[in-house]
Amino acid sequence: NAGVTQTPKFQVLKTGQSMTLQCAQDMNHNSMYWYRQDPGMGLRLIYYSASEGTTDKGEVPNGYNVSRLNKREFSLRLESAAPSQTSVYFCATTSGMVNTGELFFGEGSRLTVL
Amino acid sequence: GENVEQHPSTLSVQEGDSAVIKCTYSDSASNYFPWYKQELGKGPQLIIDIRSNVGEKKDQRIAVTLNKTAKHFSLHITETQPEDSAVYFCAAGGSGTYKYIFGTGTRLKVLA
Repeated sequence: NAGVTQTPKFQVLKTGQSMTLQCAQDMNHNSMYWYRQDPGMGLRLIYYSASEGTTDKGEVPNGYNVSRLNKREFSLRLESAAPSQTSVYFCATTSGMVNTGELFFGEGSRLTVL
Repeated sequence: GENVEQHPSTLSVQEGDSAVIKCTYSDSASNYFPWYKQELGKGPQLIIDIRSNVGEKKDQRIAVTLNKTAKHFSLHITETQPEDSAVYFCAAGGSGTYKYIFGTGTRLKVLA
């Protein structure tokens, strides 16, 4: 039982390159989230998916796209990476709405954009 | 927009002393307040949470208090131990929504 699995764990990109961060959960959860963590700024929500087939913008969606491929998988794509997207990215899942269950996080993906 | 302020950003305490971290939220519709602990190189993990119909909740050495009128909630850790050293995040969310808004984090160092 792996919980929330993120790949890759580390990635270095050049400005303008594209990449996709993958997240998979085996907890049978409905809701999935992508956060970024920057020093002094905490965890900021990029996109979330309340359930399979739906996605919504969070606080900082610009420069990102997401796909909820199925109930288990939620990917985050950077189409043209910029240095400002250097960050640690966390995927998280929960069973449903706020207050219905714990938010479980993956171990993070550290992205550097040169 | 919705905002959660968290203080202090860093906190150093001697082993055995208490630590207090405070958060203030802006959205009066928030009614669920979890606290997360993040160890180095790991994802955050829930340590305690409180709902708006409760003023205080305890779990061994950890307690959380909530003042809905003032929109404040706090994490209290007593008898701190070196393994309590980590980054702590508060968060706020409202029933009927999917969004959790996180504070900026507090780096707690427990000095042996």
